[in-house]
Amino acid sequence: SQQGEEDPQALSIQEGENATMNCSYKTSINNLQWYRQNSGRGLVHLILIRSNEREKHSGRLRVTLDTSKKSSSLLITASRAADTASYFCATDLGSTLGRLYFGRGTQLTVWP
Amino acid sequence: GAGVSQSPSNKVTEKGKDVELRCDPISGHTALYWYRQRLGQGLEFLIYFQGNSAPDKSGLPSDRFSAERTGESVSTLTIQRTQQEDSAVYLCASRPSVATQYFGPGTRLLVL
Repeated sequence: SQQGEEDPQALSIQEGENATMNCSYKTSINNLQWYRQNSGRGLVHLILIRSNEREKHSGRLRVTLDTSKKSSSLLITASRAADTASYFCATDLGSTLGRLYFGRGTQLTVWP
Repeated sequence: GAGVSQSPSNKVTEKGKDVELRCDPISGHTALYWYRQRLGQGLEFLIYFQGNSAPDKSGLPSDRFSAERTGESVSTLTIQRTQQEDSAVYLCASRPSVATQYFGPGTRLLVL
């Protein structure tokens, strides 16, 4: 079953705007990751945030984690048409075995 | 360095035929995962190999699905007597000792 749920399912914005995607999960975690997928192919890892971290930055990406609310957000600032992709959050649900649980993803479309 | 590779990129088969999908992980990665992704859906965990430990097969949807991995090298996912509902992208990922998974480009399977 899919334990992470992204919101919204689809997001359409203009270039230059910021895009915010949210992820909720159900149980405790060691870390949460965000991945990007272009055209239904392989996923690319974007960022990992550990359960004891509240915010993390990587270039135009900002991820927050609120373990009390079991939620995370991914913010893409100054979006570009090339950011058009599906974005997935993945959690480990506290397991140390390395298995990840993915949500259904948010389809982001950035219009030039 | 080389990433995770998968073959074939695309496979079209007739219902009832067997198919074999291949994954070459990144050298030195101890963990290997197989996922299935139906159109517009998130990733569905299938199976997980970690070193020489017994694989976690809990995600395999039926006994028509099986996978093998020799040591820390190539893995094959076999689907016997394929059904139309098996049509999906099959993604392989490998992981070193840290949490991030590195995905291959996937095999797009179409069962007619």
